[in-house]
Amino acid sequence: KAGVTQTPRYLIKTRGQQVTLSCSPISGHRSVSWYQQTPGQGLQFLFEYFSETQRNKGNFPGRFSGRQFSNSRSEMNVSTLELGDSALYLCASSLGGPAYEQYFGPGTRLTVT
Amino acid sequence: DQQVKQNSPSLSVQEGRISILNCDYTNSMFDYFLWYKKYPAEGPTFLISISSIKDKNEDGRFTVFLNKSAKHLSLHIVPSQPGDSAVYFCAASAGNNDMRFGAGTRLTVKP
Repeated sequence: KAGVTQTPRYLIKTRGQQVTLSCSPISGHRSVSWYQQTPGQGLQFLFEYFSETQRNKGNFPGRFSGRQFSNSRSEMNVSTLELGDSALYLCASSLGGPAYEQYFGPGTRLTVT
Repeated sequence: DQQVKQNSPSLSVQEGRISILNCDYTNSMFDYFLWYKKYPAEGPTFLISISSIKDKNEDGRFTVFLNKSAKHLSLHIVPSQPGDSAVYFCAASAGNNDMRFGAGTRLTVKP
């Protein structure tokens, strides 16, 4: 069974731009969660989607948004990028949700200059 | 809000000895706890979990202990191997649809 894939793996953007990251979950997994990882902060929960519906959202500004498609693939969008958005963005899929064992993708390394 | 805290950013142990990674939490509603391991350039991988109805769960060389009154859990690795060198994340859930992670502890196992 193929694992969670994320594209692109690396991205460099300029302040003020917007970016879209993509995540393809493990086949059969309907829950997709997004996390931001920065040094010293661990993994910060962004949001979780299940069957195209956002079920929960972390404490991030509205510039961070996401969506999920009928095939469970998910995208995350960040508008008006700031330098502090530079981080590793991880996507995780699971059968039932984040409270269950999650399978993570390798992440997208976003650098904002 | 750091509801899950891993106060030791790094830990170094000798091969064959025990590694003990600690995690504290503040939310008494957390009822499910997990440990993930992360190697460089890879996403975290699930290691072991424990629900709040238990105080110990064992899987091979890995054992997780939960002390609900102290809001503390720990991961024991015995014996430690060089391949265990990675960043370990503690995570907790209150049964809702989000998971709170700690900042991680970098474990180095020296041959």
